[in-house]
Amino acid sequence: GAVVSQHPSWVICKSGTSVKIECRSLDFQATTMFWYRQFPKQSLMLMATSNEGSKATYEQGVEKDKFLINHASLTLSTLTVTSAHPEDSSFYICSARGAGSGYTFGSGTRLTVV
Amino acid sequence: DAKTTQPNSMESNEEEPVHLPCNHSTISGTDYIHWYRQLPSQGPEYVIHGLTSNVNNRMASLAIAEDRKSSTLILHRATLRDAAVYYCILITQKLVFGQGTRLTINP
Repeated sequence: GAVVSQHPSWVICKSGTSVKIECRSLDFQATTMFWYRQFPKQSLMLMATSNEGSKATYEQGVEKDKFLINHASLTLSTLTVTSAHPEDSSFYICSARGAGSGYTFGSGTRLTVV
Repeated sequence: DAKTTQPNSMESNEEEPVHLPCNHSTISGTDYIHWYRQLPSQGPEYVIHGLTSNVNNRMASLAIAEDRKSSTLILHRATLRDAAVYYCILITQKLVFGQGTRLTINP
């Protein structure tokens, strides 16, 4: 079945630094990728949708300059949290969709900003 | 995106069937009904999906009401590993999650 690999699975960074999270579709081409954020005991919140080769579409209230999304190839999308602060600490999850296939999720990245 | 309504939590016993309800009264004719589940500290996992007819797979069954305004995910014999948050989602172009149902399985 379709597999999405997300790295790193966890990261701790200092306040003010930037963190990059990678999402790769291993056995299919992902025409669309989605990035979510999830706080403890809450549901997943869609942050943005990205299509290969074009700019990401951000959901209302999500700062595009803070959460940089790059979808340069059909198998890789990256989310960079710039100038991270403690309130950005969360569980970030990517999802990929290929032509004719369903949605496959990565295993998530737990970001802790100290 | 059309909304779904699910109970916040449900509890069942191991090896018994579990029926997880979902209301989606504003569903449109082209909305597929998808179910995903999420185990703690993991990404969501696909369970099943359908459009109009009932569906079965190795994980579960999906019963869709005739008017499509509600559906039920059926786990035929729950195990402890089925304890998770179950999300019922209507998909058009993007996957938007509601609050889901937290399922607890008692040994």
